[in-house]
Amino acid sequence: GQQLNQSPQSMFIQEGEDVSMNCTSSSIFNTWLWYKQDPGEGPVLLIALYKAGELTSNGRLTAQFGITRKDSFLNISASIPSDVGIYFCAGKNDYKLSFGAGTTVTVRA
Amino acid sequence: DVKVTQSSRYLVKRTGEKVFLECVQDMDHENMFWYRQDPGLGLRLIYFSYDVKMKEKGDIPEGYSVSREKKERFSLILESASTNQTSMYLCASNLPYEQYFGPGTRLTVT
Repeated sequence: GQQLNQSPQSMFIQEGEDVSMNCTSSSIFNTWLWYKQDPGEGPVLLIALYKAGELTSNGRLTAQFGITRKDSFLNISASIPSDVGIYFCAGKNDYKLSFGAGTTVTVRA
Repeated sequence: DVKVTQSSRYLVKRTGEKVFLECVQDMDHENMFWYRQDPGLGLRLIYFSYDVKMKEKGDIPEGYSVSREKKERFSLILESASTNQTSMYLCASNLPYEQYFGPGTRLTVT
């Protein structure tokens, strides 16, 4: 499947900072999903976006479905140590998902 | 609460062994998936199933087969395990818009 362009690849952030990451694609998607994966665990679904322009929040997380349907971004506000992990975007049409390579987030206490 | 479970978290097998990885979902989902995840290569789809006894090859099906005899259970089979199949294996199942993953099986083939 197609791999999406996710950036940045990694980031070091200060506790309390806001952070952003984004995903772009050459293809249109009907759904955008954002996951977090802790070491040795499976990805956990954070936010699902269903239509272009949609802005959805889940606690300190906010994600948007791009107007063109080819991109999405995720914001984390007021970072805390448990935000450490790898964040993946995924675009979905029909059954299958296309994934970004992930953004590794490390929080400096 | 959504639940996808995998039979083992860690598995060590020898080259040439037949290996079974089991996945169960309790959400009555029709679609189920097997991925492998490797550093630098991301998540790659091995096989998926859209109904009982129905399956389709993903991007990297070579060396693998699958079985789906019941809606809730999807098995991944390594017919003759090789060292290049050492990886993290993730099962997932779908709602129409959302996909949920199991906790993963870390397989080491020696």
